[in-house]
Amino acid sequence: KQEVTQIPAALSVPEGENLVLNCSFTDSAIYNLQWFRQDPGKGLTSLLLIQSSQREQTSGRLNASLDKSSGRSTLYIAASQPGDSATYLCAVNVNDYKLSFGAGTTVTVRA
Amino acid sequence: DGGITQSPKYLFRKEGQNVTLSCEQNLNHDAMYWYRQDPGQGLRLIYYSQIVNDFQKGDIAEGYSVSREKKESFPLTVTSAQKNPTAFYLCASSIATRVETQYFGPGTRLLVL
Repeated sequence: KQEVTQIPAALSVPEGENLVLNCSFTDSAIYNLQWFRQDPGKGLTSLLLIQSSQREQTSGRLNASLDKSSGRSTLYIAASQPGDSATYLCAVNVNDYKLSFGAGTTVTVRA
Repeated sequence: DGGITQSPKYLFRKEGQNVTLSCEQNLNHDAMYWYRQDPGQGLRLIYYSQIVNDFQKGDIAEGYSVSREKKESFPLTVTSAQKNPTAFYLCASSIATRVETQYFGPGTRLLVL
């Protein structure tokens, strides 16, 4: 069974600092990995999707890397802003459209 | 605007009562999903449907039921058999290929009276 872990569970940084969020998974046989953002009491917003054949994806200040062999992905957020405060979840797509989610990392960016 | 809508935003259930959560999408997606989110845990899949009139159990289907009579709609019923229904319920949809991202609705919070 695929298990997805995100450490740390919570992170607090001053504005302007770069954020590094980690995601690890136990089964490297994945189709893709996605990073989502969730604001309190809201649904999920997709940030980046990395296909299994890719090493990284970039969108603006966000960069996500994928190392399938070691079962790891990292989400980098450059020059953090208070508006980046949210919970970030990673999810791996294993089969039949199903996603296995981590519990998330809750980020607070202090002004 | 294209997207996924869920209603109601908050739902209260009395003991022994069945309640139904609504999920509608106008993205023309074939696949739809229901997830449950508990504090400090990742989302867990309840049911999913790849096409109309077909659906499969996810990891935690016991105490829940679904239907998929229309492409746009995928309602979830929380039955009285679900003994711990208090949670945040999220509906999602995707184009029917496994490499596509899933799009999520705003969620329904279910509370027990």
